[in-house]
Amino acid sequence: NAGVTQTPKFRILKIGQSMTLQCTQDMNHNYMYWYRQDPGMGLKLIYYSVGAGITDKGEVPNGYNVSRSTTEDFPLRLELAAPSQTSVYFCASRRDSSYEQYFGPGTRLTVT
Amino acid sequence: EDQVTQSPEALRLQEGESSSLNCSYTVSGLRGLFWYRQDPGKGPEFLFTLYSAGEEKEKERLKATLTKKESFLHITAPKPEDSATYLCAVRVETSGSRLTFGEGTQLTVNP
Repeated sequence: NAGVTQTPKFRILKIGQSMTLQCTQDMNHNYMYWYRQDPGMGLKLIYYSVGAGITDKGEVPNGYNVSRSTTEDFPLRLELAAPSQTSVYFCASRRDSSYEQYFGPGTRLTVT
Repeated sequence: EDQVTQSPEALRLQEGESSSLNCSYTVSGLRGLFWYRQDPGKGPEFLFTLYSAGEEKEKERLKATLTKKESFLHITAPKPEDSATYLCAVRVETSGSRLTFGEGTQLTVNP
């Protein structure tokens, strides 16, 4: 199993541009999560999903959108990039029977 | 509001010098406390889950313990490869499947 994979690894955006961060897991997990991590800070939850077609807001959802059309994929969309969205973004997933989350390698995004 | 505080922010140890990291929490209805290790440029890696006061879990040089107010991650005779940021997170009865993370302790073990 590849686990949780994220693309791209790095990206530089100009203010106002849009992009989609991709997240895929091959563990057949229903639960998936998007976090951001700023330097020296913990992880802040952006959005999460409890299964295909079901998503909900986390702690810091403003400026982001998500969709979940399949069990495997959970893309995160930035519509109008702002410097405040410069961060490292992590996707995670977990199985139904436990609460331990398994993380991808992250996407480092810079908005200038 | 649920709060998770980790201390110290950073810790430098000599190889073989045992110590402990602290994760204190102020939450209503703890349903699990999780420890993760994060290496630079990588995603967090799951270490332990603790559910009730008095519970302990061990893995190699690491031992996690839990009381009603805090958790400790004890590192016995650390090696340079134990250098990483250690994150704790909590799940509470009102949070469903969500976790609240602390800010982490950056551990450096010098040879």
